[in-house]
Amino acid sequence: AQSVTQLDSQVPVFEEAPVELRCNYSSSVSVYLFWYVQYPNQGLQLLLKYLSGSTLVESINGFEAEFNKSQTSFHLRKPSVHISDTAEYFCAVSDHGNFNKFYFGSGTKLNVKP
Amino acid sequence: DTGVSQNPRHKITKRGQNVTFRCDPISEHNRLYWYRQTLGQGPEFLTYFQNEAQLEKSRLLSDRFSAERPKGSFSTLEIQRTEQGDSAMYLCASSLGTGDYEQYFGPGTRLTVT
Repeated sequence: AQSVTQLDSQVPVFEEAPVELRCNYSSSVSVYLFWYVQYPNQGLQLLLKYLSGSTLVESINGFEAEFNKSQTSFHLRKPSVHISDTAEYFCAVSDHGNFNKFYFGSGTKLNVKP
Repeated sequence: DTGVSQNPRHKITKRGQNVTFRCDPISEHNRLYWYRQTLGQGPEFLTYFQNEAQLEKSRLLSDRFSAERPKGSFSTLEIQRTEQGDSAMYLCASSLGTGDYEQYFGPGTRLTVT
């Protein structure tokens, strides 16, 4: 079974500053990787995903994440955050052998201040 | 709106009562998942269906929990003899299955057991 660690439970940052949300997973088997975002009072929405190919994946709203197999990490970054990015972000992992079962981290609350 | 829907959105019940939640997935999705999310934690996998077949159940799904998807469309999750520890957000997700791997989440049903 996978274990997913999001070390930072809360990340406060000023608007237009860069941010990195960290995600590490336990097993080095072939994985699929996801970042989901949850805005207040809303359901989880997919932000971006890594299935195969280029290790750097991007979202439509400026986030990017890089799959690092040797470090078993999938950190999420944005060079300049906006107030509207305030939300909780969840990293999720599934194994190639059982892609139906997602393992989630405990989430990171990003609080963007003006 | 053609997303995943869940009813009710909130449920307050007394300990020992039975509760049932419903999930309607995206219409063309043949896979349906149930997760539980407690405060400060990420979602935890409970079970999933491919069409009407329940293919995997987590150890978190005690004998008091039962899930069905009778015609491969909507699903129900029933909790019998509720306990205070059952208080959580119950999330439903659906997916196409092969090729995409993304799970689309509903807004959740928040259960409070008093």
